[in-house]
Amino acid sequence: AQSVTQLDSHVSVSEGTPVLLRCNYSSSYSPSLFWYVQHPNKGLQLLLKYTSAATLVKGINGFEAEFKKSETSFHLTKPSAHMSDAAEYFCVVAPSGGYQKVTFGTGTKLQVIP
Amino acid sequence: GAGVSQSPSNKVTEKGKDVELRCDPISGHTALYWYRQSLGQGLEFLIYFQGNSAPDKSGLPSDRFSAERTGGSVSTLTIQRTQQEDSAVYLCASSLVERVSTYEQYFGPGTRLTVT
Repeated sequence: AQSVTQLDSHVSVSEGTPVLLRCNYSSSYSPSLFWYVQHPNKGLQLLLKYTSAATLVKGINGFEAEFKKSETSFHLTKPSAHMSDAAEYFCVVAPSGGYQKVTFGTGTKLQVIP
Repeated sequence: GAGVSQSPSNKVTEKGKDVELRCDPISGHTALYWYRQSLGQGLEFLIYFQGNSAPDKSGLPSDRFSAERTGGSVSTLTIQRTQQEDSAVYLCASSLVERVSTYEQYFGPGTRLTVT
């Protein structure tokens, strides 16, 4: 069994300040973890993924996430928010190896204030 | 190159009518997935295709929902006798092979279904 919890449904930051979007997971297997971004009226796009290699994962547009097994967390961060980062972000968990059903979190809407 | 496309982009239908939603995956992608995204919810897995076969249909919410894939390419999701609770955005994704832990899923823009 697996699940993912995104701790904040909405996050608001000022442009140029750091971004933190929180995600906790549970999985019976060694998980693979992903962050996807969905801009308004656009399809979901992969930001980054963790697949049991380096625990600090760098993605596109300056985002990164750190896999912390002891805390069962995979929080998404960015040092300085840009207006174009305003979107909805989804944390996703999947067991490693082979096909298994992925589980999406309920999403976090990021608002960036000019 | 062309991404995943879905049609129609918007569909408004009356309760009780049947609807068909279409997905054109990226050429060469053998795996295809359907999801449903309801307001305030995460993505809900519906069905997965590997080629033309569907090894995992466990997410289909009722027998009113069915899907098929032909020629290892285009897929159609059919909802019969639509209900208001079927209103949602239906998303299709494809990936090169079925290992979602390794291979990125590429998502289409979705079909917004409204049942009145």
